[in-house]
Amino acid sequence: EVQLVQSGAEVKKPGESLKISCKGSGYSFTSYWIGWVRQMPGKGLEWMGIIYPGDSDTRYSPSFQGQVTISADKSISTAYLQWSSLKASDTAMYYCARSYYYVDCWGQGTLVTVSS
Amino acid sequence: QSALTQEASVSGTVGQKVTLSCTGNSNNIGSYAVGWYQQISHGAPKTVMFGNSLPSGIPDRFSGSKSGTTASLTISGLQPEDEADYYCSTWDYSLSAQVFGGGTKLTVL
Repeated sequence: EVQLVQSGAEVKKPGESLKISCKGSGYSFTSYWIGWVRQMPGKGLEWMGIIYPGDSDTRYSPSFQGQVTISADKSISTAYLQWSSLKASDTAMYYCARSYYYVDCWGQGTLVTVSS
Repeated sequence: QSALTQEASVSGTVGQKVTLSCTGNSNNIGSYAVGWYQQISHGAPKTVMFGNSLPSGIPDRFSGSKSGTTASLTISGLQPEDEADYYCSTWDYSLSAQVFGGGTKLTVL
């Protein structure tokens, strides 16, 4: 069974850094693109970007380019989403998703709360 | 403003057939397969259709189609548990990004 399991909820202060994770199992992790989707409170889904763990080729949405970093460690089948300096507006649920043209498998979500 | 346009809300009664639409352009829906996702009470989304394929475990009352730059998700024999928000997405080659619709809230009366 294909599964994506994300790290737990985080509460951070503005200006702090953060790295959340998504571990894939049940498939060849290096053979599929995996990405991140943001959902702000009460809002819709927004595509942030994707990475191909096989060669670390990474694509970002123009809206998120420079705001976050997507990476992957293929030795442990894990993808990451990181921020160097969080803002209150980064408060949202973040989903990892096996995808390129569309998503065929979702993680359970990681809630990130940024508050002073 | 989402790149893909979906109805804000749709409603139907138990047993009815409903169709949700997702409209784009030649850069996205006109060129690539579309995924459809169900999100119940702000839980994690679940893929209910990708391309013309039904994921394992999804009831066959769900079906998908595409005509030109509009994709559709049809639910035949609507059930109370189908009440959810539904989103569509596909790749957009002019944006070099995956794009989502704004979502449709489906209410089962």
